[in-house]
Amino acid sequence: AQTVTQSQPEMSVQEAETVTLSCTYDTSESDYYLFWYKQPPSRQMILVIRQEAYKQQNATENRFSVNFQKAAKSFSLKISDSQLGDAAMYFCAYRMDGGSQGNLIFGKGTKLSVKP
Amino acid sequence: GAVVSQHPSWVICKSGTSVKIECRSLDFQATTMFWYRQFPKQSLMLMATSNEGSKATYEQGVEKDKFLINHASLTLSTLTVTSAHPEDSSFYICSASTGYIDEQYFGPGTRLTVT
Repeated sequence: AQTVTQSQPEMSVQEAETVTLSCTYDTSESDYYLFWYKQPPSRQMILVIRQEAYKQQNATENRFSVNFQKAAKSFSLKISDSQLGDAAMYFCAYRMDGGSQGNLIFGKGTKLSVKP
Repeated sequence: GAVVSQHPSWVICKSGTSVKIECRSLDFQATTMFWYRQFPKQSLMLMATSNEGSKATYEQGVEKDKFLINHASLTLSTLTVTSAHPEDSSFYICSASTGYIDEQYFGPGTRLTVT
């Protein structure tokens, strides 16, 4: 069975600094998708970034980028120039390749605090 | 685009009663909807997957007779918690997807409190 592990329950970063959130996963599949979701206090899940396993190039979305290491089954999220609005729970998620009908498997999350 | 709504956003019910939560895709047709449960300070756990017009597929350990899921149209899925008990108190989140868009869109969640 696929599993997703986030080993950092809480992280803290100074405003304008950079922080990296860790995620590892376990799967025997070769094709899959990985995601980072943000859940602010409102509890609304917001997609931050996604990575297709068949792509070697790391995904980037503005201040957010990932370091995808397929052989190591590692998928870390780097947030650059951290802003107060980045404070939230961050969940790493895995989805087997099968279209959007496939269900997501979430890690336990990392609570990110941003200090002014 | 791609907005998913949930209603109600917050509900309190008495133990032993039933409560229905609606999940609607407002601007797209959702062939598949997912229901998650999130306890305080924990992650999202998938409860069931529903495809329009067919019976929901429940995850192991989820009582299908207690958590009734109906996906009668391409824009609406409902989760009914029957004979609710205090341990059913949780945050319930739905997500919706369509085979033509490689994405799942999440609703804002429903907080259920059973007294």
